[in-house]
Amino acid sequence: QKEVEQNSGPLSVPEGAIASLNCTYSDRGSQSFFWYRQYSGKSPELIMSIYSNGDKEDGRFTAQLNKASQYVSLLIRDSQPSDSATYLCAVSGDSGYALNFGKGTSLLVTP
Amino acid sequence: DTEVTQTPKHLVMGMTNKKSLKCEQHMGHRAMYWYKQKAKKPPELMFVYSYEKLSINESVPSRFSPECPNSSLLNLHLHALQPEDSALYLCASSFATGTASNYGYTFGSGTRLTVV
Repeated sequence: QKEVEQNSGPLSVPEGAIASLNCTYSDRGSQSFFWYRQYSGKSPELIMSIYSNGDKEDGRFTAQLNKASQYVSLLIRDSQPSDSATYLCAVSGDSGYALNFGKGTSLLVTP
Repeated sequence: DTEVTQTPKHLVMGMTNKKSLKCEQHMGHRAMYWYKQKAKKPPELMFVYSYEKLSINESVPSRFSPECPNSSLLNLHLHALQPEDSALYLCASSFATGTASNYGYTFGSGTRLTVV
């Protein structure tokens, strides 16, 4: 069973702070990692992808990957109330057929 | 066109009804997926189509029947569903299987299904 683990939260941060979301995975053959944002009642939206160890930055978002530790994280700088959503970590295996999703972390940014 | 379009957005059906969910994309993607998502749970993979052929069926009950008429369309036929099948049904596409790992998915907006 290929597991993707996330803390379900809720993670509460004040507006303007850095939100840190974490994800671990069990399949050492995993090659690609994604973060999706899902607002309540809506479909998931891809916000970040990362494929190699290190950091990848896109605007206020930074994804971090450590394959040796089987760990991927998402940092959201200058958090806004509009960032309040569930963040899903998704991991692909070496077959690439489908993504495995974590249960998601609920983020609440308070004004 | 960078969208995956799902219809209908909402569907209420009785346990004896037959209905279909539709999904369409015009991005040239050759892999299409059906996922089921219950409240506060992650999406669960149901079916994968690659080049219009069924690649993966995740042991889904036969009351769910997928169909891929062409590279742009994906249907999910529903028959004799149970109330526990009520969920958000998500369609997704990617450039191809084997490259879902490279590009991730584009999800449709989903169909909120209620079985009464």
